[in-house]
Amino acid sequence: EAEVAQSPRYKITEKSQAVAFWCDPISGHATLYWYRQILGQGPELLVQFQDESVVDDSQLPKDRFSAERLKGVDSTLKIQPAELGDSAMYLCASSFRSGANVLTFGAGSRLTVL
Amino acid sequence: DAKTTQPPSMDCAEGRAANLPCNHSTISGNEYVYWYRQIHSQGPQYIIHGLKNNETNEMASLIITEDRKSSTLILPHATLRDTAVYYCIVRVGGGADGLTFGKGTHLIIQP
Repeated sequence: EAEVAQSPRYKITEKSQAVAFWCDPISGHATLYWYRQILGQGPELLVQFQDESVVDDSQLPKDRFSAERLKGVDSTLKIQPAELGDSAMYLCASSFRSGANVLTFGAGSRLTVL
Repeated sequence: DAKTTQPPSMDCAEGRAANLPCNHSTISGNEYVYWYRQIHSQGPQYIIHGLKNNETNEMASLIITEDRKSSTLILPHATLRDTAVYYCIVRVGGGADGLTFGKGTHLIIQP
């Protein structure tokens, strides 16, 4: 079964450092989403791509977060500088945008900022 | 997307049917009910979705009331591996918008 790949699975960093997460969606999925999930809460959408274009980044803290999907396939989410409050699970999802538009999620990248 | 209301937690005995309720009284006519679940330390997983008819697949059944203001996800024979947080989400079917998650229901299957 096709999967959304994410790396790293775990990342520990000190505040003020830069950190990056990578996501490879299911082949053929044009829509890619990045979510952040703080412990005990549901995932929160940060940014959505349609192919290489951002279609929604209204919840992305743009002073420190950036996301790109240059060739419309894999994507990178960057945080610089990291803050203590950024400790969370970062989830990537993709969808085919056809029919029910079911999202398939990756296993996530857990970030701990010290 | 319409808001949903779910109990924060539920228990169910292994082998019994788990019935998870969801209220969505402000649902619009073109909005579907989706269910996802998230097992500890994993990403959410799609379970099932429906518009107004009851739906069944290999994982679960979805019962939607006639007025569409509430629904129930049924896991017919719960196992320990069904312990997870279950999210009920209402959104326009086929829409490109990202899912809006609430806090969901933490279902605990007891041995």
